[in-house]
Amino acid sequence: GDSVTQMEGPVTLSEEAFLTINCTYTATGYPSLFWYVQYPGEGLQLLLKATKADDKGSNKGFEATYRKETTSFHLEKGSVQVSDSAVYFCALQGGGQNFVFGPGTRLSVLP
Amino acid sequence: GAGVSQSPSNKVTEKGKDVELRCDPISGHTALYWYRQSLGQGLEFLIYFQGNSAPDKSGLPSDRFSAERTGGSVSTLTIQRTQQEDSAVYLCASSLAGNLKNIQYFGAGTRLSVL
Repeated sequence: GDSVTQMEGPVTLSEEAFLTINCTYTATGYPSLFWYVQYPGEGLQLLLKATKADDKGSNKGFEATYRKETTSFHLEKGSVQVSDSAVYFCALQGGGQNFVFGPGTRLSVLP
Repeated sequence: GAGVSQSPSNKVTEKGKDVELRCDPISGHTALYWYRQSLGQGLEFLIYFQGNSAPDKSGLPSDRFSAERTGGSVSTLTIQRTQQEDSAVYLCASSLAGNLKNIQYFGAGTRLSVL
């Protein structure tokens, strides 16, 4: 079945550092790919998405590119802020209507 | 309009009791999903509704878990004879349907604690 793998956390960075959170997937066909973010005490919210190969999703300074050749959708940000501290989930939506989420990566940004 | 609403926000119950968790999706969203998020874990898919029917119940962990949806709107997740391992945050999400590219909108969740 479909699956999503993300790098283990927690990730701790200093403010203004470069962020990469790796995400790879296994799916049949051409899934849509998503990054969701969960800030402390809040529900999940969509951060960005990409629906076909080579698409780049971007929002709030975060970017991720849909790489079909490496089945990856790595999340990047050039300069993180304390307010980016949250749990980040990579997810896919495959041939059905169901979504498959990765285990989440906790990011802590220190001032 | 309003987002996805879940109630109660917190529920403490004794082992062996039944609990009902409620989800009010965004108006007009025909697809509704239930997930479970255990402490330090990712999201575990439980069940998905399209309208009032549930084409995918594959994630329900045992026959103590059931869910229904009426009027294509409100959904209730019921856990019978709760066990301590049922303690988790139960998340509901809704989306427009008929298009595989749709986005899920999540509620804030119900935190269930089984003592």
